[in-house]
Amino acid sequence: GQNIDQPTEMTATEGAIVQINCTYQTSGFNGLFWYQQHAGEAPTFLSYNVLDGLEEKGRFSSFLSRSKGYSYLLLKELQMKDSASYLCATLDSNYQLIWGAGTKLIIKP
Amino acid sequence: GAVVSQHPSRVICKSGTSVKIECRSLDFQATTMFWYRQFPKKSLMLMATSNEGSKATYEQGVEKDKFLINHASLTLSTLTVTSAHPEDSSFYICSASTGQGHTEAFFGQGTRLTVV
Repeated sequence: GQNIDQPTEMTATEGAIVQINCTYQTSGFNGLFWYQQHAGEAPTFLSYNVLDGLEEKGRFSSFLSRSKGYSYLLLKELQMKDSASYLCATLDSNYQLIWGAGTKLIIKP
Repeated sequence: GAVVSQHPSRVICKSGTSVKIECRSLDFQATTMFWYRQFPKKSLMLMATSNEGSKATYEQGVEKDKFLINHASLTLSTLTVTSAHPEDSSFYICSASTGQGHTEAFFGQGTRLTVV
């Protein structure tokens, strides 16, 4: 079956660094997305990884290991506005998006 | 970046009535549009995939006659929730893609539907 696992909730402190992990088992793999979703809003695109390694984009970085079925989203210099849910999603062999349930990130001052 | 406009953002309707949600790609042609439903604290659930000019492909368990999807042009898709019930209350989100698949897909703002 197809499955994506990520922690339900995480808490971090403003100014700190947090890493949100995502593991997946899907039928085929055509890339992994990270999205940010604030409560009551649609997801917004953060990153797309299809090759192994780290992609850095400002305060956010995303890492992928295809052999391990593993990705993480790294958020640096956390700001209060980073409080949101972070969704991991993979593209399977049919280019269908398989979504994780999201990780709710709570930032404390 | 590409802009997808979804309307309305919030709607309250009475049980038994129908509600239409529009999804427009404003500055690109969307060959494919996706409709999602999201329950509180749950992941996005794909309801259907629609390609311009053809019938939508519905996911297992999604009632075609209840959730009518029309993708009449390359910039507009609509989702009509027919004979709405309180259990249809949810957050509905569309995304539009320039090609087949999700690699270049952009989301609308979402519609909060409340059926009373």
